[in-house]
Amino acid sequence: GENVEQHPSTLSVQEGDSAVIKCTYSDSASNYFPWYKQELGKRPQLIIDIRSNVGEKKDQRIAVTLNKTAKHFSLHITETQPEDSAVYFCAARGGNQFYFGTGTSLTVIP
Amino acid sequence: DVKVTQSSRYLVKRTGEKVFLECVQDMDHENMFWYRQDPGLGLRLIYFSYDVKMKEKGDIPEGYSVSREKKERFSLILESASTNQTSMYLCASRGPPGQGIGEQYFGPGTRLTVT
Repeated sequence: GENVEQHPSTLSVQEGDSAVIKCTYSDSASNYFPWYKQELGKRPQLIIDIRSNVGEKKDQRIAVTLNKTAKHFSLHITETQPEDSAVYFCAARGGNQFYFGTGTSLTVIP
Repeated sequence: DVKVTQSSRYLVKRTGEKVFLECVQDMDHENMFWYRQDPGLGLRLIYFSYDVKMKEKGDIPEGYSVSREKKERFSLILESASTNQTSMYLCASRGPPGQGIGEQYFGPGTRLTVT
């Protein structure tokens, strides 16, 4: 089956700096890669996603890049703000199943 | 707006008890999922269902069973709860990819403690 690895597990950045979280996957058949943000005590919420036929997608301060050849995808957050502090999960979908990374706890220091 | 609800936010049960966790979605989604979330382990799939009465094992099905008698409801059952099943349980639902971007919608979670 699919195996998704996520790094780093924790990340601290100064407010206004950029944050990058990286994930790798193993199954070349995976074709959909969402990113979820989970604030403390709340459910995961989809923040951005990318399909395998696209290399990059942006939504305001958030972007995701996908390298199918290398089987890795990354989340980029620019101009970070304290409200970006949360746990971020990447996932890869193969067929009906989603496979999640282990999460990155992002802290934005004011 | 998709709503996925779970029957309890917090639950405390004793070892050996039978536990039912219920999940209901209101968007006529075919696919429903049960995950458990543990620190450092992320979200791990227990079971999923792609249609009524259909179920598939995920990565960690041992000690769990599921029931999907109606499309909107997906139940997770712990036949005999054990302390290592203390965790946060998250339900999710997803429509078919043709209906949209195929994202999952999560319920609020049930924090289960087994003593």
